[in-house]
Amino acid sequence: NAGVTQTPKFRILKIGQSMTLQCAQDMNHNYMYWYRQDPGMGLKLIYYSVGAGITDKGEVPNGYNVSRSTTEDFPLRLELAAPSQTSVYFCASSYGRGGNNEQFFGPGTRLTVL
Amino acid sequence: AQTVTQSQPEMSVQEAETVTLSCTYDTSESDYYLFWYKQPPSRQMILVIRQEAYKQQNATENRFSVNFQKAAKSFSLKISDSQLGDAAMYFCAYRSYGGSQGNLIFGKGTKLSVKP
Repeated sequence: NAGVTQTPKFRILKIGQSMTLQCAQDMNHNYMYWYRQDPGMGLKLIYYSVGAGITDKGEVPNGYNVSRSTTEDFPLRLELAAPSQTSVYFCASSYGRGGNNEQFFGPGTRLTVL
Repeated sequence: AQTVTQSQPEMSVQEAETVTLSCTYDTSESDYYLFWYKQPPSRQMILVIRQEAYKQQNATENRFSVNFQKAAKSFSLKISDSQLGDAAMYFCAYRSYGGSQGNLIFGKGTKLSVKP
């Protein structure tokens, strides 16, 4: 199993540009999450999904959109990139939502908006 | 809303010695889970140890153990026989037992350095 994969690993965007961060998992997990990690901070939840076709906002959703058309994929879309979106983005997945269901993390995408 | 606080931005330990990282949390829930994650320079988040709030016994994983004090809402991580590979950021995290999201709530992290 590849686990949780994310592409790209690094990206530099100009203000106003758009991009999609890709996330895929091959563990047949129902729950998927997008977090962002700002310098010196812990991870904060952007969006999450409890299954294909079902998504909902987390703590910091402004400026982002998601979709979940398949169990495996959970892309994160940035529209009109702003410097405040400079961060490291992590995708994670788990089979269920309970604490015994370990969340597996991808390697992260470092995004810089200039 | 639940919050997680790590009051030690940085810690240092001599190789082979023991170090304790502190974490406190705030919640009105009675059932929940607590975790310690390790983030090395590679950025990969690695689960170190987890504790179910309904269990009084402290969790242990090899050289890693926790001191869970539910009434005090404290959850510290003890690393014994520290190794150079333990150098990393360590994050304390909380997860509700119920709820629809199942997401983790993280503290700001503690950067651990290990001196040879």
